Amino acid sequence: DQQVKQNSPSLSVQEGRISILNCDYTNSMFDYFLWYKKYPAEGPTFLISISSIKDKNEDGRFTVFLNKSAKHLSLHIVPSQPGDSAVYFCAASKRFSVGNQFYFGTGTSLTVIP
Amino acid sequence: ETGVTQSPTHLIKTRGQQVTLRCSSQSGHNTVSWYQQALGQGPQFIFQYYREEENGRGNFPPRFSGLQFPNYSSELNVNALELDDSALYLCASSPPSGQQETQYFGPGTRLLVL
Repeated sequence: DQQVKQNSPSLSVQEGRISILNCDYTNSMFDYFLWYKKYPAEGPTFLISISSIKDKNEDGRFTVFLNKSAKHLSLHIVPSQPGDSAVYFCAASKRFSVGNQFYFGTGTSLTVIP
Repeated sequence: ETGVTQSPTHLIKTRGQQVTLRCSSQSGHNTVSWYQQALGQGPQFIFQYYREEENGRGNFPPRFSGLQFPNYSSELNVNALELDDSALYLCASSPPSGQQETQYFGPGTRLLVL
């Protein structure tokens, strides 16, 4: 049962343009959402997060938007750079006693073309 | 500050064998989570340890077990290995509750079961 879905396995964008990565979730109990970036042979690296009490969070070139009614979040990268080429995972969590169990999507492979 | 480290980096086992994977948490982190990432999939939550106690478990059979030690390092043990256990195993640590709820991942151990 995939509670977090990334329906686009891959995305190609020209350098300098906007990259938009999308993620959908099914569990309304999720209250915290994150994006991770993964290079080959490395573990996922935290990129940006958003709490369910917000609808937007921005950090430099990265902005995450959350639409709770649609159970949808997106990551915008502006402007895209070749170094952004990686696999991006969307993750969601719902709190239990201590810490969070993270549910991950299947990832979107972003290629930024110079 | 030392990040999350995992050993070994690669491992080859045969079906029916047992394996132990190791993880050292990032300094100051007392919660460790283990994930299995099969090829082409996102990380799937196995279980989480907090202060040496299991604190949540995903949909994995009992032959997947773990330990957390007083220094917050952790082990993942898998008994009676099956071919489908071939995957990248990721360990992630997170800081004490109340701080930013982000998990920091190690580079993973790639397990191949023949």
